[in-house]
Parts: sequence; C-alpha cells; structure tokens
Amino acid sequence: DAGVIQSPRHEVTEMGQEVTLRCKPISGHDYLFWYRQTMMRGLELLIYFNNNVPIDDSGMPEDRFSAKMPNASFSTLKIQPSEPRDSAVYFCASSQTDQNEKLFFGSGTQLSVL
Amino acid sequence: QKEVEQNSGPLSVPEGAIASLNCTYSDRGSQSFFWYRQYSGKSPELIMFIYSNGDKEDGRFTAQLNKASQYVSLLIRDSQPSDSATYLCASLAGTALIFGKGTTLSVSS
Repeated sequence: DAGVIQSPRHEVTEMGQEVTLRCKPISGHDYLFWYRQTMMRGLELLIYFNNNVPIDDSGMPEDRFSAKMPNASFSTLKIQPSEPRDSAVYFCASSQTDQNEKLFFGSGTQLSVL
Repeated sequence: QKEVEQNSGPLSVPEGAIASLNCTYSDRGSQSFFWYRQYSGKSPELIMFIYSNGDKEDGRFTAQLNKASQYVSLLIRDSQPSDSATYLCASLAGTALIFGKGTTLSVSS
C-alpha cells in the first residue's frame, strides 16, 4: 500500500482565499484523523471520521474550517476564508482500529497564508 | 481538559549514552500510551506503545508506564546520531490520540 496520501505538499495562499486539503487513507482503514501542527500548540486533533461519518469535530477551531469524507478513500479539509494564523502543517492519518495501535500519518500539507 | 505534557528540551546526549524522555498525562482514564518520533520536516512515525504498568522493551527502546503517577517515559539505549529527532508522547482519549508538544533530542557523535 502507498500509505496515507496527502495533497498538496505545500500551499501558499493569500488571506481570504479558500484552501482545500486532500487526503487518501490507507485502504481498509476505518478511521481517519485530521491534525494540525504548529510550534506553539504542537499536534492538535481537529476532527476524526469512522466509516466516513464525522465522530468528533470539537477540535475544529472555527466555522471557517470544515471537513468531509464522501467515501472511504477520500477526505477534504477546507478553510474558507483563510487567515495568516491558519498557517501550519496539516496532517491526515488513518487507523484500522479504534485503539490506534498503528496510526499512520501522511506526509502533511505545509500551509502558508500570507 | 485532557493534556499530555513533555519537556520541550532540547535534550542533548553523547553517542552511546542512554537518553531518557519523560511525559505526564492528566486523564486518569487513559489506558494506552504511544511514543512517536518525528524528524524535522517529516511526519510522525510510531516507535512503540504501552498499555500495562511496568516496562516494555523493543530493541534499543524501552517504554515505561506508571499509571499511579500518570507518568510515561521512553529510554533509548546506545543513542545514535540518527536518533536525533523530536519525540512525541501521546495518550489514547476515547478513539483519538492526544499528543504532547514533543521533546527534541540531539545525539552528538
């Protein structure tokens, strides 16, 4: 398996623009997680899905953030409108079980909002 | 709020020494704990996990868990320059992992 695939690897955008981050989990993994990493706050959980259903979105910082998982092989994280404080590395991760013994991360998307 | 605390470091050790990384957690209900390694510019990768009080060994790595003290540690024996990275401690809160901010380890040759 190719692992968790994220795109784009880097995104530079201007404040106010819409940003869409994409993720393809490992086939057969029922759990998908979106994390955000910054120096100040570390690795924060934003939202996670189980069998394509959002289970916990309490980590989503504001209504500007939304996430979808239309099918088992694809998820998006959208920020609209984007702000400079959204600049971070966004990781997608997937797991086969709810115990996360093997949680695999994608390579991340480095987002810079100017 | 469920939190995982780590000393940010940097922790500097000479090659061949034992590196000791520590972590505390706030949620007494947490049952599982994980150590991830993250190289600069890369994604986190799992080193090992531990469920039970005591020690768990895997090669040069030993994880230690003390639930009474809410304390988790990772020992790296015979540290190598390639071990230089940020080490993230995480606890399982329900279904999702809650991560600490990480400790940066530097192993000098």
